[in-house]
Amino acid sequence: TQLLEQSPQFLSIQEGENLTVYCNSSSVFSSLQWYRQEPGEGPVLLVTVVTGGEVKKLKRLTFQFGDARKDSSLHITAAQPGDTGLYLCLRRGQNFVFGPGTRLSVLP
Amino acid sequence: EAGVTQSPTHLIKTRGQQATLRCSPISGHTSVYWYQQALGLGLQFLLWYDEGEERNRGNFPPRFSGRQFPNYSSELNVNALELEDSALYLCASSSRQVPYEQYFGPGTRLTVT
Repeated sequence: TQLLEQSPQFLSIQEGENLTVYCNSSSVFSSLQWYRQEPGEGPVLLVTVVTGGEVKKLKRLTFQFGDARKDSSLHITAAQPGDTGLYLCLRRGQNFVFGPGTRLSVLP
Repeated sequence: EAGVTQSPTHLIKTRGQQATLRCSPISGHTSVYWYQQALGLGLQFLLWYDEGEERNRGNFPPRFSGRQFPNYSSELNVNALELEDSALYLCASSSRQVPYEQYFGPGTRLTVT
């Protein structure tokens, strides 16, 4: 079974703080997507990483793909309340596997 | 450009009934994916359709089935509903050019009583 692990499971921080969340697997990813989901809505695609060592930036969000393509991280700089949500990673293997997510709460 | 649309928004059924959920992909997208998001269980892959064919299915019983129409829209059918089928059902679509990027609809909330 190709499982994805995400850590931490929950994170509650104050506005303006920095944070990093992680997505890990025991097997190699061909590609990985990061999504953010708000309650009662569908996930929204943030980024796709494909190449080992790749770094992508989306405003205050920085995504990194591990050199061995088995892990990825999402770093948020100066978090804002609008960043609150469930952050999910998705890998495509034999089928499509979502991690359990990191639930982020940014308090004003 | 319109996003993925799903109908109905909410659906209430009783145990043993059948439910039909519908999805219209983004214009130009040929693949449709279905996921179940039950409380506390995360997003679970159900089915993948591409060009009218079922390409893969997740670890769900055969009473979960679907189809994709020539216009690439899709239906998910759940027969013999059980209480545990209560969940948010999400549909996503992707293009032939960028097949690994899935764009999600708002979901259908199915409640089985």
